[in-house]
Order: sequence, then C-alpha cells, then structure tokens
Amino acid sequence: DVKVTQSSRYLVKRTGEKVFLECVQDMDHENMFWYRQDPGLGLRLIYFSYDVKMKEKGDIPEGYSVSREKKERFSLILESASTNQTSMYLCASSGIVTGINQPQHFGDGTRLSIL
Amino acid sequence: AQSVAQPEDQVKVAEGNPLTVKCTYSVSGNPYLFWYVQYPNRGLQFLLKYITGDNLVKGSYGFEAEFNKSQTSFHLKKPSALVSDSALYFCAVRAYRDDKIIFGKGTRLHILP
Repeated sequence: DVKVTQSSRYLVKRTGEKVFLECVQDMDHENMFWYRQDPGLGLRLIYFSYDVKMKEKGDIPEGYSVSREKKERFSLILESASTNQTSMYLCASSGIVTGINQPQHFGDGTRLSIL
Repeated sequence: AQSVAQPEDQVKVAEGNPLTVKCTYSVSGNPYLFWYVQYPNRGLQFLLKYITGDNLVKGSYGFEAEFNKSQTSFHLKKPSALVSDSALYFCAVRAYRDDKIIFGKGTRLHILP
C-alpha cells in the first residue's frame, strides 16, 4: 500500500520564520505535489514536481518554494512565514503507468499555524 | 481551462437511503475524473476514477459514480448510506496526460442515524 508521510501533523511558527514541511513517499512515484486546504476554497496547488530537481509552479506559488533532491522526498519551504499562510498543507504523490498518470495518494496533512 | 463544480456545500441523507453527491466538470479533450473522501484530520483517500470504458464506475466502500458526457457530470452515488460515510467528498478532473488535477471545493456529506 502506498504511504505518503508528512513529518509533522501540527506545527506552530512565528511570523517571519523560515518553515520547512517535509514529505516522503515509499512507492517510487515520479510526481509529487503540495496543496493547501482552506475552508470554502477546497485544495489549491502550490507546487509540483515530476522528477528529481524539477519543479513547476501551481496556482498559488507566491511566498513558497520547494526542493526535490531525492525522488522520494519533496519539501515545501515558507521563506518568511506570514499569518495568511496558516492552513492545512497536504502532500501527494502519483506514479505513471503506461504513460498515464495514476491517482494521487495523500499524506495526512500538516496543520500549520503562524502566530 | 479545466474546472470542477460541486454545487452543494452540504448534503444530508438518512441512514439506509440512497445518496448522491453532484459534480460537473469542464475540460479540453477527454477527461480523467476522480472522487476522493476526507475524514476529519486526515488526508484525502482515493475512492474511484473514470478514464474510459463503462460509464458506471465502482469504487471503494460501496460507492459508484456515473459518467455522463453530454451533461459533463460525474455524480457519486451509493445505494444505502451508512453513518460512517459522513465525511468531506471531493471531485477532481484532469485532462488527458496532464500532470495537474483540479479539485472541486468539496461537499460535506452528513448521514443522519
């Protein structure tokens, strides 16, 4: 069974701090994604990566960066945390079979509060 | 541009009754369609997908979804609801061979005992 593990379930940080959210998947998936989930807004894509050292901006990349140095690990970085980045952050991964992207598998999320 | 609409923020159904959660989509070309469920304080769990073939797709936990190309809909259904089905449900669409999935805003399903 696919497992996507996010390093923290709950995190509290202060405004201006640099924040790292880590995500690891154990299925050798090519694609990895970072979303934020806010009430009434659903899931919004921040960044995704389809290969090591590759990254693509999603719909709301401002204030975030990512790192993918190894295939199994995808990190989300808040360069200087602000209160409007308080949210639930979800990591996902998906593989490719016969050239077709498969459904995404999600971690349990990190609920981040910026004070 | 791709989009997904879930017209109902909430759906309430009595236990044992059939349930439907609605989803409509817009995409260029052939769509890949998905349903996910989210329980409290958890990530999303994949329920089912439509890629091609039969318009009625069966998935986990007794759920099924009907693809209707003319109405661009992909409604989630279950013949007999359980209280444990209470959760947040997301419909999602992806264009063929695209990397990104577009999610709807979610529908909260309440099954009343």
